[in-house]
Amino acid sequence: EAQVTQNPRYLITVTGKKLTVTCSQNMNHEYMSWYRQDPGLGLRQIYYSMNVEVTDKGDVPEGYKVSRKEKRNFPLILESPSPNQTSLYFCASSQGLALDEQFFGPGTRLTVL
Amino acid sequence: GESVGLHLPTLSVQEGDNSIINCAYSNSASDYFIWYKQESGKGPQFIIDIRSNMDKRQGQRVTVLLNKTVKHLSLQIAATQPGDSAVYFCAETKGGGADGLTFGKGTHLIIQP
Repeated sequence: EAQVTQNPRYLITVTGKKLTVTCSQNMNHEYMSWYRQDPGLGLRQIYYSMNVEVTDKGDVPEGYKVSRKEKRNFPLILESPSPNQTSLYFCASSQGLALDEQFFGPGTRLTVL
Repeated sequence: GESVGLHLPTLSVQEGDNSIINCAYSNSASDYFIWYKQESGKGPQFIIDIRSNMDKRQGQRVTVLLNKTVKHLSLQIAATQPGDSAVYFCAETKGGGADGLTFGKGTHLIIQP
């Protein structure tokens, strides 16, 4: 089954404790992206990647890092999480820039205390 | 920065009626627009897209209209069904998606029985 998976789905952590949210897709997609969703603000793009070893900042990259060492994986790293990073995070992938076929993962709900 | 926004946070319609969800965008350089549907507890799902060289595009029960003069986008859903209840987001990008996606804040469509 074609899908985007994220782990963990739920996470409660404390300020300053490094964490990684994994994202993996099994569709051989080149384009992958991370978004955060907050009430009243909609979805905002954090980082995106056009292909392996190519990453670019989205609208809200501060406090986040990503890597794209393999085509299928695009982890989101919070080196020192803060409470304002409490949010719902979505990973997405598509074949090239075929955004009309962009698949979203199920979401990761992160709470930073 | 420039952003995409929606006129109404909530829209309530009777089952069987037509729905129109509006979106205003501010980046005149945007050349590709997408409508997404997000059901509770799930990631966004692509509905329909339109490029800036078009004014109208139709799908199954959905139509997207683009008015570049006033930078306005709308999603029309015909004969709404209970399964149409969701939050709808418009998103815009330029360069065919190379610069990433910017989402609007979302409109919650409620279908009354």
